[in-house]
This record gives sequence, structure tokens and C-alpha cells, in this order.
Amino acid sequence: QKEVEQNSGPLSVPEGAIASLNCTYSDRVSQSFFWYRQYSGKSPELIMSIYSNGDKEDGRFTAQLNKASQYVSLLIRDSQPSDSATYLCAVRENNQGGKLIFGQGTELSVKP
Amino acid sequence: DAGVIQSPRHEVTEMGQEVTLRCKPISGHDYLFWYRQTMMRGLELLIYFNNNVPIDDSGMPEDRFSAKMPNASFSTLKIQPSEPRDSAVYFCASSRGQGGSEKLFFGSGTQLSVL
Repeated sequence: QKEVEQNSGPLSVPEGAIASLNCTYSDRVSQSFFWYRQYSGKSPELIMSIYSNGDKEDGRFTAQLNKASQYVSLLIRDSQPSDSATYLCAVRENNQGGKLIFGQGTELSVKP
Repeated sequence: DAGVIQSPRHEVTEMGQEVTLRCKPISGHDYLFWYRQTMMRGLELLIYFNNNVPIDDSGMPEDRFSAKMPNASFSTLKIQPSEPRDSAVYFCASSRGQGGSEKLFFGSGTQLSVL
């Protein structure tokens, strides 16, 4: 049973639009949530982290967390072709191990 | 800092052969993770170490897989014997501390192809 779920996409948006990426998780007690970006053929890199309910903004990126509904989302404003990548949602289990569990990722394509 | 260093970048081998993947974490990082990525299953955690001690190996698919961390600057993932279904990209990652704010730094990965 997958613990972190994402739509695999591809999600296609025009340049300048808002891209919305969603993620749900099954472990209700999870406390730490992350968005990683992975360009084709490259390794994942962290772009956002969020720990509390609500929104967290960093430049063109906004992470949103709703623990009651067990979902976390990532909004990318003014999308650019350089944002085209796979976005991985990751959840840290709230146990002694604290291992990081990744979703399968959503492929985003921003069309010029 | 050079980041997390993995070798080799590419490995092509025949079924039944032994494969050894290597990783050098970032200096000062006390957590090391081995992940495997495939199209079908995404990024799966295989095993992770804290201060060179294996903490959770529940993701290791079977006894053919083994991992060691003899010191703070080196880890290996070994597959013996290898099978075609082991073909994937294997990532090593390290982090400083297990607190919720610590991000993972990934190596460039090893692309493994088992024929």
C-alpha cells in the first residue's frame, strides 16, 4: 500500500500560468513534508519544506498543508519552461526512524 | 564541498554477476540513505544508516541485497547475484541529523542495467 500518492501526470500548463501539484499521505501523524524537484536524468533537489498547516511561500513557489485532510500541495506561479521537471512529494514518518517516504512524482511540462 | 559522490555512474552487467555500488556522503553528515528509482515504483528507500549503524533495512527487497557503512565517509550497496529486475537508478543521499528540517542531499545516482 502506497503511503504517499501523487498524480503521475503529465501536467501541462502554458508559460506564465499557475501550476498546481497535489499529494496525499496515509500516515495521519506525519509531521514533516517536502517537495523535491527532479530534472530528467538528474537527482532530486529540495525546493520546499512545510511543517504547519497553512501556506508557506518562497518566491514563485507556495506550499500548502492541510493535516486534517492529509494533503499537501505545491503551487508554482508564473510557470516557466525551466520549471518543467518531475515534482516529488515526500513525507517524513513520525516515528523513531523518521525515514523519508516519496510519492511517485508528478511530471510537469510548461509550454512556451 | 563536492557533495555526495557515487560510483560508478553507469553499470552494465549480466544476470548472476555481483554488483557493488559506492557512496561517499558529505563530510559531517551523520545519516546516509540508499534509494532505488524505477518508473513503476518511483523512489523507494532501501536502507538508511545513522552514525554508520543500519537503522532500517525494511526496504531491502531480498537477501541478494546488502549494504555496509564501515566508516563515516564510505558506504556500499551490493547485489549478489544480480537479476534483470534490479535494473534501476540507485541513489545515495546524506543529511545532517534526522530532525524534520534536515534536507537530503542526493548523489548523481548509479544507472544499473542487468542484462
